[in-house]
Amino acid sequence: EIVLTQSPGTLSLSPGERATLSCRASQNVNSHNLVWYQQKPGQTPRVLIHATSSRATGIPDRFSGSGSGTDFTLTISRLEPEDFAVYYCHQFGGSSHTFGQGTKLETK
Amino acid sequence: QVQLVQSGAEVKKPGTSVKASCKASGYTFTSYNIHWVRQAPGQGLEWVGIISPSNGATLYAPKFQGRVTVTSDTSTNSVYMELGSLRSDDTAFYYCAREFPGSIYFDSWGQGTLVTVSS
Repeated sequence: EIVLTQSPGTLSLSPGERATLSCRASQNVNSHNLVWYQQKPGQTPRVLIHATSSRATGIPDRFSGSGSGTDFTLTISRLEPEDFAVYYCHQFGGSSHTFGQGTKLETK
Repeated sequence: QVQLVQSGAEVKKPGTSVKASCKASGYTFTSYNIHWVRQAPGQGLEWVGIISPSNGATLYAPKFQGRVTVTSDTSTNSVYMELGSLRSDDTAFYYCAREFPGSIYFDSWGQGTLVTVSS
């Protein structure tokens, strides 16, 4: 089973700043099979990025994804107040899906 | 519109089993895989398993293999997840989620079923 490790655990930033979230895999991940979600309190996760770098429908272009192999990144270019939430990476490989433990993006 | 409506909260004793349901509407049921994902209160997401309603094929996370069974019923457009030998650390929200075809991401989620395991 591929283990995904997200860093940092908590990221404290201000609106307008740039956020860089990391997701590292214990084995190579097919780029088609790497996804990012956003989850706000009391809500189910919402897909932001699929196939490493493709924005899902309706997602603003301040969200971007990149990476390959074992290292993947979600970047939010200029934080808006509604972006403060928990972010998860998700992969499928080796006949199993796994999630990272999450990065909490909080207001500084 | 696409809807996944789950069964209500359950309270179970350790060692027993629970069966949660997920009723789909608003799309062709057999064209989309359905996953189960759980989330303990205040914790992260954990994948449980997947079923393809078109043929009943399933795949489970290694952690749950032998303890979980996911089934589907095309006559009612419903998916079921049964988890046995419950422990206190199985206390969580259990979500069903629809997989977008040709990808791995989940584009629609149920509202969640809270399973509480307590003696």
